[in-house]
Amino acid sequence: DQQVKQNSPSLSVQEGRISILNCDYTNSMFDYFLWYKKYPAEGPTFLISISSIKDKNEDGRFTVFLNKSAKHLSLHIVPSQPGDSAVYFCAASTTNSGYALNFGKGTSLLVTP
Amino acid sequence: EAQVTQNPRYLITVTGKKLTVTCSQNMNHEYMSWYRQDPGLGLRQIYYSMNVEVTDKGDVPEGYKVSRKEKRNFPLILESPSPNQTSLYFCASSFQTSGSHEQFFGPGTRLTVL
Repeated sequence: DQQVKQNSPSLSVQEGRISILNCDYTNSMFDYFLWYKKYPAEGPTFLISISSIKDKNEDGRFTVFLNKSAKHLSLHIVPSQPGDSAVYFCAASTTNSGYALNFGKGTSLLVTP
Repeated sequence: EAQVTQNPRYLITVTGKKLTVTCSQNMNHEYMSWYRQDPGLGLRQIYYSMNVEVTDKGDVPEGYKVSRKEKRNFPLILESPSPNQTSLYFCASSFQTSGSHEQFFGPGTRLTVL
């Protein structure tokens, strides 16, 4: 049973605009949420994370928002750049369960010039 | 350079022929893990290790074995591979007390079992 869901398999955005990637989860025990970026033929690379005690974390062009009551998080990329084109995975973990990362299926982002 | 390495990167084998995929990290991480990525399913955890000689099952451990004799190495063993183990495999590592729960991933091993 998928505990982390990314319902949009793909997203296309124009360069310079905002990209919003969404993620929903079902397990209320998750206490950390992460976004990973993956290029073809490479392993996933960590992008940004947020603890369940926060509702926003920002790092340069990337901001993650967490809505615990809705069990929803989103990644905002502003402004989007062609180099941001990749597959983005949402992941969640619980400190008490061995730090295992539960991944969503991923959203393929295409940023067009 | 801090990294997680995996070998081989690509492997084609036949059903039943034992194989080992190696994973090594040079960051002195306690925690190591194996994932498989399949189309439409995202990444799923196979096994993980909290430290030397400590391993445990993830979500999809059937058909796999692991060992953690040294801190830096975490090999994945397929004793009798089957076609349903055709997949893209990733090794990952992290500090046990990583505040962000961030894991560092290797480049992946694409395995085809005929």
